[in-house]
Amino acid sequence: AQSVSQHNHHVILSEAASLELGCNYSYGGTVNLFWYVQYPGQHLQLLLKYFSGDPLVKGIKGFEAEFIKSKFSFNLRKPSVQWSDTAEYFCAVNTITGGGNKLTFGTGTQLKVEL
Amino acid sequence: GAGVSQTPSNKVTEKGKYVELRCDPISGHTALYWYRQSLGQGPEFLIYFQGTGAADDSGLPNDRFFAVRPEGSVSTLKIQRTERGDSAVYLCASSSGLAGGIGELFFGEGSRLTVL
Repeated sequence: AQSVSQHNHHVILSEAASLELGCNYSYGGTVNLFWYVQYPGQHLQLLLKYFSGDPLVKGIKGFEAEFIKSKFSFNLRKPSVQWSDTAEYFCAVNTITGGGNKLTFGTGTQLKVEL
Repeated sequence: GAGVSQTPSNKVTEKGKYVELRCDPISGHTALYWYRQSLGQGPEFLIYFQGTGAADDSGLPNDRFFAVRPEGSVSTLKIQRTERGDSAVYLCASSSGLAGGIGELFFGEGSRLTVL
């Protein structure tokens, strides 16, 4: 069975600092990779996804993630964070097992951006 | 509404009671998912419906948990003989089920269940 590890559980940054959140997965086959975000008081929403092709994926609000197959990683980055990026971020993986969007999520990283 | 709707948003019950949680997916979405999120954890898969049938129920923790989707739209998650360990936020998500929609799950705001 696949698993997802997010090593940073809590991150505190000042506005304009750069962000990188780590995500590693364990599965030897073909995967789809995702980052979801949950803003305070809101539901989970998709930030970006990787299926195939260019391993550098651009998402909403200036976020990007890079798929490095050899490292089983899909780290999330943003060059300059804003206070409004304060949220919890979840990495997730979907294995190609014949259909469905059965995602395995990591434990999440709580990001706090201070003014 | 345009999004996934879950009711109730909060449910407090006593150990041993029966609970039903309802999910109304986005109109036209054929796939519906239930996840459970415990404190400090990410969402954990419970069950997935494609239309009316449960395509994968491998995440249901035991036979106290059951879910239905009789008309291929609204789904109900049913928990019998609740235990304190069932306390969590139960999330529902839907997707279009089309190839282009793989991974694009649209989540509701969840039903927070507290078992005393």
